[in-house]
Amino acid sequence: DAGITQSPRHKVTETGTPVTLRCHQTENHRYMYWYRQDPGHGLRLIHYSYGVKDTDKGEVSDGYSVSRSKTEDFLLTLESATSSQTSVYFCAISEPDIRLLGYTFGSGTRLTVV
Amino acid sequence: AQSVTQPDIHITVSEGASLELRCNYSYGATPYLFWYVQSPGQGLQLLLKYFSGDTLVQGIKGFEAEFKRSQSSFNLRKPSVHWSDAAEYFCAASGGTSYGKLTFGQGTILTVHP
Repeated sequence: DAGITQSPRHKVTETGTPVTLRCHQTENHRYMYWYRQDPGHGLRLIHYSYGVKDTDKGEVSDGYSVSRSKTEDFLLTLESATSSQTSVYFCAISEPDIRLLGYTFGSGTRLTVV
Repeated sequence: AQSVTQPDIHITVSEGASLELRCNYSYGATPYLFWYVQSPGQGLQLLLKYFSGDTLVQGIKGFEAEFKRSQSSFNLRKPSVHWSDAAEYFCAASGGTSYGKLTFGQGTILTVHP
C-alpha cells in the first residue's frame, strides 16, 4: 500500500536465528501495529506502538520484541526463530481515532522458519 | 473477553448471485466495526466501517453491511457477486478499553463460480 512498506517481502531462516522485520511509513501516523496471519486464526496482534519509544504487547507477543526509535519505522524482532513463527506478518498504521480511516496495511512479509 | 466470530470459513457462490458474509461480535458496548478484503498475496483493504447512526452502511465495490445490535452482528452483503470479488474477507472490531486496537475474525474465503 502506498505510504507503508514492509521488508523483506519473503524470508527463509533457520530455527534459532534472530530475525528482524521492518515496517516503514511515510504517512506520519502515530500508531503502528504488527499482526501475524495464520489460517483459521485471522490476524492476531503481536505488538503495537502509540509513539516513539512507546510500545506494548498484544495477544501473541511471546518470542517477539519491537522497537520504535523514529515515527516512521517499527521493527519486529524474533529473538530466536521457531517453526511456530512461520507465518505472514503484517504491519499496519492508523491515526489515534481509527474511525476516520481505519487501519492501512502493508503488503506483508512471508516468513518461513526451517 | 472481546471477540469477533466469522462462522463461515469458506463460501462458494455463482457469479451474479447475492452474497452475505456473517460476523458476530462480543463486546460490552457497541464497538467500532470494520470489514476488510484481502486478495491473494496482498494486504488488507478497507471495505466499510460502522461507528454509530444509520445501521446500514455502504462501502466500496458495491458492498454494504448492516449492524444489528440485538443480534450482535455486522453482516456483509452484496446483491450481485462478480468473479473479481473472490478473496478472503475479514470482520474486525475495536472497542471497550481497546479503542485503536483491532480484533479480527478468522476470515471467510469467498470462491466465485462462473
